[in-house]
Amino acid sequence: AQSVTQPDIHITVSEGASLELRCNYSYGATPYLFWYVQSPGQGLQLLLKYFSGDTLVQGIKGFEAEFKRSQSSFNLRKPSVHWSDAAEYFCAVASPSGSARQLTFGSGTQLTVLP
Amino acid sequence: EAGVAQSPRYKIIEKRQSVAFWCNPISGHATLYWYQQILGQGPKLLIQFQNNGVVDDSQLPKDRFSAERLKGVDSTLKIQPAKLEDSAVYLCAAQAVTDTQYFGPGTRLTVL
Repeated sequence: AQSVTQPDIHITVSEGASLELRCNYSYGATPYLFWYVQSPGQGLQLLLKYFSGDTLVQGIKGFEAEFKRSQSSFNLRKPSVHWSDAAEYFCAVASPSGSARQLTFGSGTQLTVLP
Repeated sequence: EAGVAQSPRYKIIEKRQSVAFWCNPISGHATLYWYQQILGQGPKLLIQFQNNGVVDDSQLPKDRFSAERLKGVDSTLKIQPAKLEDSAVYLCAAQAVTDTQYFGPGTRLTVL
């Protein structure tokens, strides 16, 4: 069965510092990969996605993620964090085959940004 | 494009009562999902619809949960009777051919 691990439950960074959120997945082949962000009381917003091709993916709000097949990882990065980035971040995978695109989510990483 | 609408945003009920959630997805998005997000966890799939047909409901607790999608547009998710462990945020998501799911704001259910 597929699974997603986000090893960091909570990360605290200072505003302007760089950020990296870790995501590892377990899947038989290369799945579709996603990062979502959830602010308090809000639904999930898609930051970026990887289906195939270039392993460095650019997303919204200045985020990027790198797919590393050898490490089964899809880590999210941002060079300079803004206070508005404080939120919970979820990594997710979906099967690349068939028509079903059910997402399997990690347990999330809560990001706190210090002024 | 308009987003996914959900109502109510919050609901508090006592155990053994029934409750219903409503979702209005983005126009033209044929695939609709319901997820359950328990506090401190990632969302977990409950059911997937393609138009008005069920694609996968293997993770739906069918003894108490039911869902329907009439005419392939709006969807309702019902819990009857509710248990304490059903306290969670219920998220609806819509997907078009781009393989990207767009989420609504969710309904936060508290069962006392």
